[in-house]
Formats: sequence, structure tokens, C-alpha cells
Amino acid sequence: SQTIHQWPATLVQPVGSPLSLECTVEGTSNPNLYWYRQAAGRGLQLLFYSVGIGQISSEVPQNLSASRPQDRQFILSSKKLLLSDSGFYLCAWGGLLGNTIYFGEGSWLTVV
Amino acid sequence: AQSVAQPEDQVNVAEGNPLTVKCTYSVSGNPYLFWYVQYPNRGLQFLLKYITGDNLVKGSYGFEAEFNKSQTSFHLKKPSALVSDSALYFCAVRASNTGNQFYFGTGTSLTVIP
Repeated sequence: SQTIHQWPATLVQPVGSPLSLECTVEGTSNPNLYWYRQAAGRGLQLLFYSVGIGQISSEVPQNLSASRPQDRQFILSSKKLLLSDSGFYLCAWGGLLGNTIYFGEGSWLTVV
Repeated sequence: AQSVAQPEDQVNVAEGNPLTVKCTYSVSGNPYLFWYVQYPNRGLQFLLKYITGDNLVKGSYGFEAEFNKSQTSFHLKKPSALVSDSALYFCAVRASNTGNQFYFGTGTSLTVIP
């Protein structure tokens, strides 16, 4: 069966520091991968999605970037964090048919 | 552009009563529609989806949803609510003919009162 892992689960970072959140998927090949941000415990904002290694689509101009160095690895990064980057970050994966996506347990980021 | 609207931020229902959580969508082409549930500080869990076929789809934990093309709606329902159903519910849409993006609504907080 397929599983998705995100880490770290929680992170407190000072303004201006770098960020790296990692997501890996097991039990499938060539998944579509997604990064969402959930602010204030409510709506999800699609940040990035990827259909293959090195292929990243950005939905919203951000202080963030994403990379997919391996087939089942998706990384969310920032060079300099802003206070507004605080939130709950969720990674998700979907199969080639794209009919459903499944989420990881999320990473809480607090920028102080 | 694809979008989803969940008009109710909060829904309260008594235990044992039927519940409905509303969702309307806007998409070019045929929609793929989804419902997810989120418990506090957790990721989203998939409940059910409509891709094609019967307008009434059944999912996990006794939930079902009805696709209504003329009203562009996909409301989530359950005949008898449980206290354990209290959570945040999200509707999502993906256009069948454009890209791989899934767009989510703002969520509806369901509280089932004992």
C-alpha cells in the first residue's frame, strides 16, 4: 500500500532563516505531488505541484520554492522566511489517473 | 478557472439527526468532485468522490454525496450524525480536461451536539 511521510512535523524558525520541508511517498511510482498551505486552520491554498522529476508548476507567486530531486521526493524551501509564511503545510500525492489525492500528516511552521 | 464554494463556515446538528454540508463548484469541462475530512492538527482524509456515473456516491463512515449538474452542487450528507463526525470538511474539484490541480473550498466546521 502507498504511504506518504512529511517532516518535520513542527518547526519554529526566526524571520529571515531558511526552510526545508520534505515529503516522500512509498509504494507507488511517478506520482503527482502537491504542496498546499493551510492558514488559520481553514482553506487550502495550492502552492506547487509536480508531475515528474524536475517538473514543478507554481500556482501562486511566493517566498517559497519547490523541488523534486527524485521520483517520490518533494521538497518545499525558502531562502528567507517571512512572518506570513507561518501555517500548516500539507504534502499530497496522486496517481497517474489523477482521480484522487492523498495527504500527509502535515508540518506546522511558526515563523517568529 | 476552477473554484469551490462552501457557503457555511459552521454547521451544528444534533446527534442522530441527518446532516448536510453544502458545496458548489465552478469548472470548465466535466468536474471531478471530492470530499475530505480533517481532524485537529491532522492531514486531510479522503471520504468520497464523483467522477462519472450515478449522481449519488457513497463513501467512508456512512457519508454520501449527491452530484447535481444543473445546480453545480455536490452536497455531503449523512442520515444520522455521530458526535465523532465533528470535524472540518472540505470539498474539492478538479477539471477532467485541464491539468492536475485540485482546488479546495474554505472548509465547513461540523459540530455534532450530543
